This record gives sequence, structure tokens and C-alpha cells, in this order.
Amino acid sequence: DTAVSQTPKYLVTQMGNDKSIKCEQNLGHDTMYWYKQDSKKFLKIMFSYNNKELIINETVPNRFSPKSPDKAHLNLHINSLELGDSAVYFCASSVGSNYGYTFGSGTRLTVV
Amino acid sequence: QKEVEQNSGPLSVPEGAIASLNCTYSDRGSQSFFWYRQYSGKSPELIMSIYSNGDKEDGRFTAQLNKASQYVSLLIRDSQPSDSATYLCAVYGYNTDKLIFGTGTRLQVFP
Repeated sequence: DTAVSQTPKYLVTQMGNDKSIKCEQNLGHDTMYWYKQDSKKFLKIMFSYNNKELIINETVPNRFSPKSPDKAHLNLHINSLELGDSAVYFCASSVGSNYGYTFGSGTRLTVV
Repeated sequence: QKEVEQNSGPLSVPEGAIASLNCTYSDRGSQSFFWYRQYSGKSPELIMSIYSNGDKEDGRFTAQLNKASQYVSLLIRDSQPSDSATYLCAVYGYNTDKLIFGTGTRLQVFP
């Protein structure tokens, strides 16, 4: 009965590969997000979508492309993976941007 | 200046003591303030939200907000070893429409 679920939980891949992370929420929230947490535990927003529409697109390399097929799903596709992309990626959802967010369990991406 | 600043710690307190965690923010237009708890290897979990000046209590947790000083704090009473985690302060600003996180304060509660 997970509220925000992400897959996969762990992802180990070689430089140059393309990978996707999937996120689904069953809370009925309108807004979904992708955050990146680096090795120093700093959580930085990457993207936000409201009802399938892109709202925030931070200064993220265009190798990262979010896709929201419906308001319950927000996937993240990463092309040409680099060593610096290694981090934990969290999906989150909320009723609105100024309300509390519910986070998924995270995807630990390791690029070797 | 960082948008949301926290002392990284670790803050070490004995079991049963009050733990006091502090956070300052730079955007005067900020309207909503949150505290998240993150255990090692886990996802952030919302524990408190506060929107107006003053104190807000929820069980052993009290959030305090002072918008004039751009300061928000979290008090944990009767600290337990299970409270040992990283506490993240997060601030939402209407101007930016983003929830900005601090780098977190690591709390250690020892028996």
C-alpha cells in the first residue's frame, strides 16, 4: 500500500548508458517532483510537474528528461550517464507546492 | 549566502534531554516551513509544518517560527535514541514556487 513508489531501488550502470527511473503515487496528489540527493546529503530539486504539466525545470543537463504520462506517474530518463550522476534520486508528491511532500524510497544510482 | 542554512552537526544530546535544531533562510517571501527527518539510507519523512509566527506543538515536537528574524527551529523533548537521524529544514517561497532544503543537522541521542 505504498504511497509513492519508485523503481528500481538500486541501479548500477556504466558510463554512457541510458537508464530510466519510474515513479508512481496513489495519493491523488496533483504535483510530483524529482529531487537529487548528493553524497553530502543535499537535496536539490530537479523538476516538478503539476497535473502532467512541467512547472519547474532547474538547471539540469538536458540529458535528464522527465515524462509524466498521467498525474500519478512521473518518470525520469537519463541519457549518456556520467560519473557525476551518481546520487540518490527521490520522487515526491504533494497536494500543492506549499504543502508537505511525501517522498518515495529513493533510487540509488551508481555510475561506474 | 545559502537559501536555507543549518548547522550540519552532529548535535549530541543525552536521552531524555531537549534537542534544539535551528534553521535560517534568506527569502523574506517564504511562507511555508517544514521539518523532515531522514534516517540513514531512508527517504525524508515530514514531521512538522508551520506557516505562521509562533510555536506549533505536536507530541514531543515543537516548531518555532520567527519570520522577522528569518528563523525556524525544531525542539524535540524527551529525546530518545530512536530520534537519532538527520533533520532537514525546508522552506517554500511563493516567489520561486520551490521547496528548498537545508543540508540537514545530524542528531545523535545517546543512552
